[in-house]
Amino acid sequence: AQSVTQPDIHITVSEGASLELRCNYSYGATPYLFWYVQSPGQGLQLLLKYFSGDTLVQGIKGFEAEFKRSQSSFNLRKPSVHWSDAAEYFCAVTSGSARQLTFGSGTQLTVLP
Amino acid sequence: EADIYQTPRYLVIGTGKKITLECSQTMGHDKMYWYQQDPGMELHLIHYSYGVNSTEKGDLSSESTVSRIRTEHFPLTLESARPSHTSQYLCASSEYKGLAGGTDTQYFGPGTRLTVL
Repeated sequence: AQSVTQPDIHITVSEGASLELRCNYSYGATPYLFWYVQSPGQGLQLLLKYFSGDTLVQGIKGFEAEFKRSQSSFNLRKPSVHWSDAAEYFCAVTSGSARQLTFGSGTQLTVLP
Repeated sequence: EADIYQTPRYLVIGTGKKITLECSQTMGHDKMYWYQQDPGMELHLIHYSYGVNSTEKGDLSSESTVSRIRTEHFPLTLESARPSHTSQYLCASSEYKGLAGGTDTQYFGPGTRLTVL
């Protein structure tokens, strides 16, 4: 069965600092990977996705993620965090034949002024 | 940006009431989903649909039911709400790309936060 692990429940960074949110997946088939962001009281907004090709994918709001098959990871990065990035971030995985997304438990990001 | 809507956004209701959470999308997507999310927790799929008159249960058992009479509409109903149903319910939709096109990307609505007293 597929699973997603986000090891960091809560991360705090200062505004302007760099950010990396970790995501590890366990999946036998070729994974399709997503990062979503959820602001308080809101739904999920798609940040970026990886299906195939270049393992470094660019998303919205200046985020990028790198797929590393050898490490079963899909970490999300941003070089300079803005206060508006404070939210909860979810990593998700599926396969071409799977019926659903499997989500990680999320990482809550706090940004200090 | 996806056009998927959920109403109401917030609902506080007493035990035993029947409720329907609405979800509509204007993108013509065939596939629609309902997820349940408890505070600080991951999302769990409770229902999905591949098209009109198609509904399936997800991984997480739920006492709710769904219907898909129209492509754009996927309401979720609780016949008798209980405090254990208190949660956030998120609706999503996607356009099936087929295996050659990778997997489909799900777009989410803003969610309905349900509190049952």
